[in-house]
Amino acid sequence: AAGVIQSPRHLIKEKRETATLKCYPIPRHDTVYWYQQGPGQDPQFLISFYEKMQSDKGSIPDRFSAQQFSDYHSELNMSSLELGDSALYFCASSLESHEQFFGPGTRLTVL
Amino acid sequence: AQKITQTQPGMFVQEKEAVTLDCTYDTSDPSYGLFWYKQPSSGEMIFLIYQGSYDQQNATEGRYSLNFQKARKSANLVISASQLGDSAMYFCAMRDGEAGGTSYGKLTFGQGTILTVHP
Repeated sequence: AAGVIQSPRHLIKEKRETATLKCYPIPRHDTVYWYQQGPGQDPQFLISFYEKMQSDKGSIPDRFSAQQFSDYHSELNMSSLELGDSALYFCASSLESHEQFFGPGTRLTVL
Repeated sequence: AQKITQTQPGMFVQEKEAVTLDCTYDTSDPSYGLFWYKQPSSGEMIFLIYQGSYDQQNATEGRYSLNFQKARKSANLVISASQLGDSAMYFCAMRDGEAGGTSYGKLTFGQGTILTVHP
């Protein structure tokens, strides 16, 4: 069965640079979620999209923005990167059901 | 506000034995969903089991079962016949809203429990 795809899997950036993370949800899933998991932490909700519209927003910094495109893939854009942005970024998708399926994550390292 | 508490930072179990991972929650929403995820050292988040707040029966998925005690607001995960491959971080999570509605329900996670299975 198809799973959630995230790219890239690993990303290394310098401080103040910009990063773009991509997420391809499971086909026919209508909702995409982004989570940030710092080292040794539990995942924290950033933002979600339902049918390409932003549906909920969590503790997402103003330096971050996200959108969902017509093909349902989503991108998380991160600007002016800081050392504290180093984390594992998960995308998850769901379809009118209780199950949220997570992608493998993008490990971002900011140097 | 939602809150999920996992009071066991680490648990140890002998291979082939059963283990219970604790999870308590707090919410004012009468409709909610409870999840357990497994996160191995490789980092991916693997969905294990789900329990809806209105489900009459405890959820089961293979070797995983959820001991749901609504009055006590607990949703403990029971893993039977532990295997070495079960060694991982386990997260309990909650989502406001029941299945079947609009599905934009973010998950709130507990702090996690590291399970180590000994041979």
